Amino acid sequence: RKEVEQDPGPFNVPEGATVAFNCTYSNSASQSFFWYRQDCRKEPKLLMSVYSSGNEDGRFTAQLNRASQYISLLIRDSKLSDSATYLCVVKSRQAGTALIFGKGTTLSVSS
Amino acid sequence: DGGITQSPKYLFRKEGQNVTLSCEQNLNHDAMYWYRQDPGQGLRLIYYSQIVNDFQKGDIAEGYSVSREKKESFPLTVTSAQKNPTAFYLCASSIGTGTSFAEQYFGPGTRLTVT
Repeated sequence: RKEVEQDPGPFNVPEGATVAFNCTYSNSASQSFFWYRQDCRKEPKLLMSVYSSGNEDGRFTAQLNRASQYISLLIRDSKLSDSATYLCVVKSRQAGTALIFGKGTTLSVSS
Repeated sequence: DGGITQSPKYLFRKEGQNVTLSCEQNLNHDAMYWYRQDPGQGLRLIYYSQIVNDFQKGDIAEGYSVSREKKESFPLTVTSAQKNPTAFYLCASSIGTGTSFAEQYFGPGTRLTVT
């Protein structure tokens, strides 16, 4: 089983739609969780960290389910500028270990 | 203006040549990382360094070498032993490697093409 799995998409949605991405991780020792955004041919940029209680940043909501080893990202009122690839990222509890990146889910928002 | 810089943005080399990619950060971060990304693939870790004069191999270190003589700098050398060097190379840094400081920030990347 891959360490971090995401549906690659693409997800094609109209402006204003709500879209949700899911991610599963295999290492139960994972401790930190993030969503990154990567535009075409650019570097990944941190979108938000994911906290145990769930957290929201404007139109973006992240949820974590440790029991099911599942992370989600919800985008409300999609904008054209949200078109990108969204990377699910986890880190194990062990200090000194690096982040594990999923392959990403591609979102295309159209007018 | 704090950040991570990588140079050059595009690099072309002939097969058999070693090439060094630059990565500099002025964020005062202790940890630095090198990843490669191939089309349609996730990021794969090449090397990382938690502190000056120390570094560890990642998942795909074969054919690569690094040094960390200064906190700000973590150059990556792609040697002729790397069988498929053409890729998008990304450098990142974080405050540390503990769970409290795990967020990584990336440079703009270097696209290396070897023919």
